[in-house]
Amino acid sequence: QKEVEQDPGPLSVPEGAIVSLNCTYSNSAFQYFMWYRQYSRKGPELLMYTYSSGNKEDGRFTAQVDKSSKYISLFIRDSQPSDSATYLCAILPYNQGGKLIFGQGTELSVKP
Amino acid sequence: DAGVTQSPTHLIKTRGQQVTLRCSPKSGHDTVSWYQQALGQGPQFIFQYYEEEERQRGNFPDRFSGHQFPNYSSELNVNALLLGDSALYLCASSLGSVDSPLHFGNGTRLTVT
Repeated sequence: QKEVEQDPGPLSVPEGAIVSLNCTYSNSAFQYFMWYRQYSRKGPELLMYTYSSGNKEDGRFTAQVDKSSKYISLFIRDSQPSDSATYLCAILPYNQGGKLIFGQGTELSVKP
Repeated sequence: DAGVTQSPTHLIKTRGQQVTLRCSPKSGHDTVSWYQQALGQGPQFIFQYYEEEERQRGNFPDRFSGHQFPNYSSELNVNALLLGDSALYLCASSLGSVDSPLHFGNGTRLTVT
C-alpha cells in the first residue's frame, strides 16, 4: 500500500463546475498537508498548506483535512480553463523536513 | 524576486555517463531538496541539504550524490546513468525550519539513451 493514494484521473469538467480532488494517506504521524498545482513542462506550484484538521480557504480554493479518516481534499469553485493542470497532494511527516511524500497527481481539464 | 532556478532545462546523456544538475534557491532560502519525477508520477524525494550537509535522504542509490555551496546553491550528481534515470529532476528550496513549505523550480528534463 502506498503511503499516499491519489486518483490519477484524468478528470474533465465544464467551466464553472465545482471540482473535488482527494487523497488518502496511511500514516497517522503525517503532520503537514499541501496541495501543489503543476502545469505541463513546469515545476509544482504551492497552492495550499495546512497542518490542522478542518478547512482552509484561499479565493476559489478550499483545502480540507480530516485526520481521523486520513483523508484530504481540495475543492475548486467556479473552475476556469486556466485551472487545467495536474494537482498533487503532498504530505510531510513530523520532523522529516523536506521529505514530502506526494500522491500520483490528478490531471484536471476544464473545458470552456 | 527570483524564484528557484535550475540548469540546464534539458539534457540528453548516454547510459553509463555522469551528469551534474544545478540549482539556485529562492532568495532568502537556505535549504535545498532534490526530487525525481517520472512521467505520470508524483515527485520522489532524493535528498535535502542544509548548512552544506545532507540532512535527509530518500531511497536512492549512492550513484545519486549532491553538494551545497556556501551561497546555498546546490548540485545533483548522478553517476553510471541507467535508462531508468530518465525523468524530470526538481529542485525545491525552503527556510531552515523542518516544516517550512517547499518552493519548486521548473526542473531539468534528463533523457538517458
